[in-house]
Amino acid sequence: KNQVEQSPQSLIILEGKNCTLQCNYTVSPFSNLRWYKQDTGRGPVSLTIMTFSENTKSNGRYTATLDADTKQSSLHITASQLSDSASYICVVSARNNAGNMLTFGGGTRLMVKP
Amino acid sequence: KAGVTQTPRYLIKTRGQQVTLSCSPISGHRSVSWYQQTPGQGLQFLFEYFSETQRNKGNFPGRFSGRQFSNSRSEMNVSTLELGDSALYLCASSFSDRGYETQYFGPGTRLLVL
Repeated sequence: KNQVEQSPQSLIILEGKNCTLQCNYTVSPFSNLRWYKQDTGRGPVSLTIMTFSENTKSNGRYTATLDADTKQSSLHITASQLSDSASYICVVSARNNAGNMLTFGGGTRLMVKP
Repeated sequence: KAGVTQTPRYLIKTRGQQVTLSCSPISGHRSVSWYQQTPGQGLQFLFEYFSETQRNKGNFPGRFSGRQFSNSRSEMNVSTLELGDSALYLCASSFSDRGYETQYFGPGTRLLVL
């Protein structure tokens, strides 16, 4: 069964600090891994998409890493801002003959405090 | 370019009724996916449509169905509503179904079943 596990479930940090969110997956056959940011009451917004051959990808202060051997990914947020308060969702895509099957992690709820 | 739009934004129904939700993708996008998001289960994949064909389906009962029109607009229908169907229903579009493209999410339709 395809699964995506995220940790921690929730996190509180002070503005300006860095943090790292974790994602472990068992999805086959692996196609790509995505990180989304979802503000309360809004739809998710894509941060990064990585395929098997990509180890790291950055989007501003967000840097995602992927270790396809250990099936782990992390999302590092640098110099956090109050606007980073949101849920961060790891999504792993498996490709089959019909198309794509996405498996979602439960998300990490991040709160940045002043 | 207009984003993904979903209608209605909010809906209240009673058990046993049926509901139809609508999604208009970004102009030029041909792939539309539907997701259910609840506090307990997080985001779960419902189905994906590409060029009017259902490409993949998640693990939801047959009460959940959908279709896509020639203009790529998509509808999702839930029949015989149950209390547990109360959720935020999100629609996302992408240009193709290759799986390595950013999905753009709509704001969602919040359904409450009484």
